[in-house]
Formats: sequence, C-alpha cells, structure tokens
Amino acid sequence: AQRVTQPEKLLSVFKGAPVELKCNYSYSGSPELFWYVQYSRQRLQLLLRHISRESIKGFTADLNKGETSFHLKKPFAQEEDSAMYYCALSGPSNSGGSNYKLTFGKGTLLTVNP
Amino acid sequence: ETGVTQSPTHLIKTRGQQVTLRCSSQSGHNTVSWYQQALGQGPQFIFQYYREEENGRGNFPPRFSGLQFPNYSSELNVNALELDDSALYLCASSQSYWGYGYTFGSGTRLTVV
Repeated sequence: AQRVTQPEKLLSVFKGAPVELKCNYSYSGSPELFWYVQYSRQRLQLLLRHISRESIKGFTADLNKGETSFHLKKPFAQEEDSAMYYCALSGPSNSGGSNYKLTFGKGTLLTVNP
Repeated sequence: ETGVTQSPTHLIKTRGQQVTLRCSSQSGHNTVSWYQQALGQGPQFIFQYYREEENGRGNFPPRFSGLQFPNYSSELNVNALELDDSALYLCASSQSYWGYGYTFGSGTRLTVV
C-alpha cells in the first residue's frame, strides 16, 4: 500500500533560519515523489518533483531510498514561505496497468516569523 | 492558457440528496482526477479518467461516480449524500496519467447538513 507520512503538523521558524519539512513514504517499487504547496487562499500547486531534481524558490528535496524519505529543505526561510506543504507520491497500483494516483501526506503548516 | 476551473465554489446539500460537481481541465490535458480533502487532512484520491475512461479508483463507495467528456471536462457525482461527505473536492488535470504535472483547481466546498 502507498503511504506518505509527514510527522509534523505545525512547524514554526524565524526568518533567515534553515527549515526542513520531513516526509517519509511507504511504497513497494520506485515511486515518483513531489512536494505541493498551498499558500493562504490559493489553490494547491506543485512546488517540485523528484524526477526533475530542481530547486524552486530556494527549496530542494533529496530522495533517500534507504530511509524512504523525501525531506524538503531551504537554508534561509522567508516570510513568504509560510504555507501548507504536502508531500505526495505517485506510482502504479498493486494491480499495475494505468492506475496511477497521487497519495498525499496530511501536510505541514509552516509559519515563518519575522 | 486557462487553468483548471471548478464549479460551483460552495454548495450546501441535505443528507440523502445527490450532487454533481464540475471541472474544466487545463487546455491540452487529457487526464483528470478527483480528490476529497476533509478538514485537516491531505487530499484523498477518488478516481481518475484518461481519455473518457476510468483508469483508477480509490477507496470510495460506488455512490461516488464520474464522467469525462470528449472535451476532457469532467463531472463528479455523489448519490445518497452522507454527513461525512462534507469536504473540499479538488479536480486536477494532467497531460498524462503518470501522476506528475497535475494542475489543481480551487475546489468545491460541499457541506452536507
């Protein structure tokens, strides 16, 4: 079964401090991992995805297959980073075929204080 | 290029009623998925349509059904509404069924009383 765990519901840091949002997953295979972000009163949007190995808005995430983790990091948090962050994975279902879906964690609310 | 649009924005229904939610996919996207997001939870996968056929379903009862039209717009229908169906319903479209590159709509807030 696919499962995504975000252990922290709330995370509060000061501006300029490093931030790390934790994500652990359970999946038998090679999933695609993503981070989605939802700013206040805005729709859910893709922040970054493992397959692209990109850095968006200063955020990076490294897939650690040994620890089954995909933590999101930023060295210097900004106030505009305050938002809800969701880790998600995608992969075929146990029945294979084309049954792909996104499985989300419960989210971490990041607050960056001035 | 337009994004994903959902209607209505908010809806209040009585237990036992039926509801239809609508979604217009982003231009060029042939895959649409529906998610239910209860308060304080992450979105949960309901089902996915690819080229007008359902090609994936989550752990939702048959009273949750859907359609995808030739223009790739979509509907989510829920029969015999229950109080626990109260949630934000999100539609997401993509160019493929691989699960990445999904664009989400703003959602429909359904309240069942």
